[in-house]
Amino acid sequence: DAKTTQPPSMDCAEGRAANLPCNHSTISGNEYVYWYRQIHSQGPQYIIHGLKNNETNEMASLIITEDRKSSTLILPHATLRDTAVYYCIVRVPRSQGNLIFGKGTKLSVKP
Amino acid sequence: NAGVTQTPKFQVLKTGQSMTLQCAQDMNHNSMYWYRQDPGMGLRLIYYSASEGTTDKGEVPNGYNVSRLNKREFSLRLESAAPSQTSVYFCASSLFSGGDNEQFFGPGTRLTVL
Repeated sequence: DAKTTQPPSMDCAEGRAANLPCNHSTISGNEYVYWYRQIHSQGPQYIIHGLKNNETNEMASLIITEDRKSSTLILPHATLRDTAVYYCIVRVPRSQGNLIFGKGTKLSVKP
Repeated sequence: NAGVTQTPKFQVLKTGQSMTLQCAQDMNHNSMYWYRQDPGMGLRLIYYSASEGTTDKGEVPNGYNVSRLNKREFSLRLESAAPSQTSVYFCASSLFSGGDNEQFFGPGTRLTVL
């Protein structure tokens, strides 16, 4: 699985969009990009994943660049409850077992 | 649906004691996982079970054993606890073990070994 690079921390004002970047310059053509988050002391929570096209669900949008070397997770209207560590993970479809969690980005949503 | 449940939520052990962490899921998932998370670090896989009747080692299996009791339940056993096993333990499940299946996590068990 390809390695990812994320900024260690970011701040966002409540009600504004939070844009979290992720670099995955060594991604292979069949690797998916996954986003999870972990709110303090809780188990990680799945947010969204994608391969090539941009994806949107009720929680967030995922924008993947055309060369697939980077992506951005967008929380359209951040709330205080979105304060968490966000993990960007790249994974091969047929890989067995674990998700490889890096250190992620600590997002702090401020009033 | 309760999702993934774990018991106990907290546990304190003395060095050398044994215990079993329990995990159950009600989503009819085939694959289940045990991770540990140390302070300031990401999760690391201990063991996983791709399907009922199979188990495989992950990144950090030493000092642990697992049992896939049935499709719903996957337990993690510490035979002789050591202070290095002080951690938060998360159980997860997914429909299948392939990389395009999202994993759902339980609330965690906080274990302290004195």
